Amino acid sequence: GAVVSQHPSRVICKSGTSVKIECRSLDFQATTMFWYRQFPKQSLMLMATSNEGSKATYEQGVEKDKFLINHASLTLSTLTVTSAHPEDSSFYICSAYSRLSETQYFGPGTRLLVL
Amino acid sequence: QQQVKQSPQSLIVQKGGISIINCAYENTAFDYFPWYQQFPGKGPALLIAIRPDVSEKKEGRFTISFNKSAKQFSLHIMDSQPGDSATYFCAASRGSVIRASYGKLTFGQGTILTVHP
Repeated sequence: GAVVSQHPSRVICKSGTSVKIECRSLDFQATTMFWYRQFPKQSLMLMATSNEGSKATYEQGVEKDKFLINHASLTLSTLTVTSAHPEDSSFYICSAYSRLSETQYFGPGTRLLVL
Repeated sequence: QQQVKQSPQSLIVQKGGISIINCAYENTAFDYFPWYQQFPGKGPALLIAIRPDVSEKKEGRFTISFNKSAKQFSLHIMDSQPGDSATYFCAASRGSVIRASYGKLTFGQGTILTVHP
């Protein structure tokens, strides 16, 4: 199956700093990538849809100025958590959509801890 | 109308038994129904998926049953093994000419499966 990578896998930062998470589709081009947030023992919550070359589409209740998404190429999307606070601590997961197989492939996730 | 309801919330099965997880959806525009398996601290991995033109799909020990009229689909894991212990999510999406929503998944609440040896 297709491979999606995320970097870093784990990050600890101080409150007020910004953190960038990268999502790459390694063996296919993804015009559409998705960013999710997952709390312990809960389902995945879609934050935004990232389309290559255009602005991301954010879900209701997600602050676009806080969670900056950039999809500059067909294989890379980034999520930047700006001015992170402890309540932003969570598991962030990206996925990349393959139009060839009409399937979403997920990355391994990034554990963010804000102190 | 975008909800996908999944049950049970948790499931305990003995090794060799059959695990059954059910999902129900409301939006009749959904046309793609995948199941994902997630281990702790990892991202979800696609297990098996079905489209409404078939009522059943089998891959190894995993089978999806689909009932279009009832708007329900289920995952059956035959000969369940301890290594199958994970969280399982059903999901649904619809093809769309709207680029922004193409492939967008609506997830169920998840089922924590524990298979005892």
